[in-house]
Amino acid sequence: NAGVTQTPKFQVLKTGQSMTLQCAQDMNHNSMYWYRQDPGMGLRLIYYSASEGTTDKGEVPNGYNVSRLNKREFSLRLESAAPSQTSVYFCASSEEAGGYTIYFGEGSWLTVV
Amino acid sequence: AQSVAQPEDQVNVAEGNPLTVKCTYSVSGNPYLFWYVQYPNRGLQFLLKYITGDNLVKGSYGFEAEFNKSQTSFHLKKPSALVSDSALYFCAVRDRSGNTPLVFGKGTRLSVIA
Repeated sequence: NAGVTQTPKFQVLKTGQSMTLQCAQDMNHNSMYWYRQDPGMGLRLIYYSASEGTTDKGEVPNGYNVSRLNKREFSLRLESAAPSQTSVYFCASSEEAGGYTIYFGEGSWLTVV
Repeated sequence: AQSVAQPEDQVNVAEGNPLTVKCTYSVSGNPYLFWYVQYPNRGLQFLLKYITGDNLVKGSYGFEAEFNKSQTSFHLKKPSALVSDSALYFCAVRDRSGNTPLVFGKGTRLSVIA
């Protein structure tokens, strides 16, 4: 059981380039999330999808777009990368919102130069 | 709005001693509360959560946390620390009312010294 799988694990981008982070979960969860982690900032929610077909902005959505492709997959796109988007990105999923446990992927390290 | 505070960036404890990692929260209603642990270059792993019922929650690896509604706290504790407990710990909260996602604290780095 793989849980939450993210790709790529590492990526270096030049300013202005675009890229998509892929995420898939095999737990049949309804809700999926994208967080970014920066030193001293903890985890901040970028976007989430409470259920297939819906997406909502989190705390720091600017510069990002998301697609809930199906129940399993939730991608995060950087249309024009900026150095401020250098971060570690985590995809996560949960059965529902509320008191359900969120399960995290292993992270994607993104550097924008 | 909901928020979480972890007042200590770093906690140092000797191996074998009890440890406490502090967390306070703010929600408009009643909370769901979580603790996660992150080892270097890894994702977050779930430790325990408070949903309802007994205020003392027991979780993985011998950790426990006590929900204190009057002090709006959910401190993580372990009776005897291990060097392998050294990691980054995150507290998180979600208001039961409404449909807001989980909000995380900034994390506390725990160092257990042999």
